[in-house]
Amino acid sequence: AQKVTQAQTEISVVEKEDVTLDCVYETRDTTYYLFWYKQPPSGELVFLIRRNSFDEQNEISGRYSWNFQKSTSSFNFTITASQVVDSAVYFCALSDSWGKLQFGAGTQVVVTP
Amino acid sequence: EAGVAQSPRYKIIEKRQSVAFWCNPISGHATLYWYQQILGQGPKLLIQFQNNGVVDDSQLPKDRFSAERLKGVDSTLKIQPAKLEDSAVYLCASSLRRGNTDTQYFGPGTRLTVL
Repeated sequence: AQKVTQAQTEISVVEKEDVTLDCVYETRDTTYYLFWYKQPPSGELVFLIRRNSFDEQNEISGRYSWNFQKSTSSFNFTITASQVVDSAVYFCALSDSWGKLQFGAGTQVVVTP
Repeated sequence: EAGVAQSPRYKIIEKRQSVAFWCNPISGHATLYWYQQILGQGPKLLIQFQNNGVVDDSQLPKDRFSAERLKGVDSTLKIQPAKLEDSAVYLCASSLRRGNTDTQYFGPGTRLTVL
C-alpha cells in the first residue's frame, strides 16, 4: 500500500524567511511519481511539480526548490524568501502506475508580514 | 486554455436529501477523477473514469454515491441520500491520459454542507 506522510501540520513564518516542508513516502513500486500541490484559501489545488522515481536531481523554480532523496524516501519542498501570497496548504502526493494519487494530510503555511 | 470547471461552488442541504455535482474537464483530457476532501485532510479518490468507462471506484460508497460520464466528457457525481459525514469539498480533476506519467489538474471544487 502506498502512503504519504507530512508530519508538519502547520508552519508559521515571517515574510522573507525560508520554509521547508517535509514529505516522506512509502511504496513498493520501482517506478512512481511524486507531486506537490498548493491549495490557497480559494480551494483549488494548484499543480507545482512532478518528479519521477528515476530522477533524483534537485529542482529550482524561482523561489521554490525541491529535494528528492530515494535513500530516505523523502521529497522535501523549500520556499525561499517567503511572501504573504505563499500562505496556503501544501500537499505532497504519490502516484501509482494507474495514476491514482495518494495525498498526504497537508501542511498549512502561514506567512505574516 | 480553460481549466476544469465545476458547479455549483457551494451547496447546503439537509441530511437525507439528494445532491448532484457537475464537472467539465479540460478539453481533450481522457481521464477524469472525483475526489472527496474532508476538512483538515488530503483529497481521497472516489472514482476514476477513462473516457466514459469506470476504471477505479473502489473507494466510492456505492450505496449512496453514484457517478457517470456520458459521452466521455462531462461528469456528474450524485449523493442520495446525504449523511452528515458527507460534508466535504468535492474536487474534480482531469488528465490527458491514464497513468502516473500525466499530471492531474483540479477544478475549484464544490463545498457541500449537510445539516
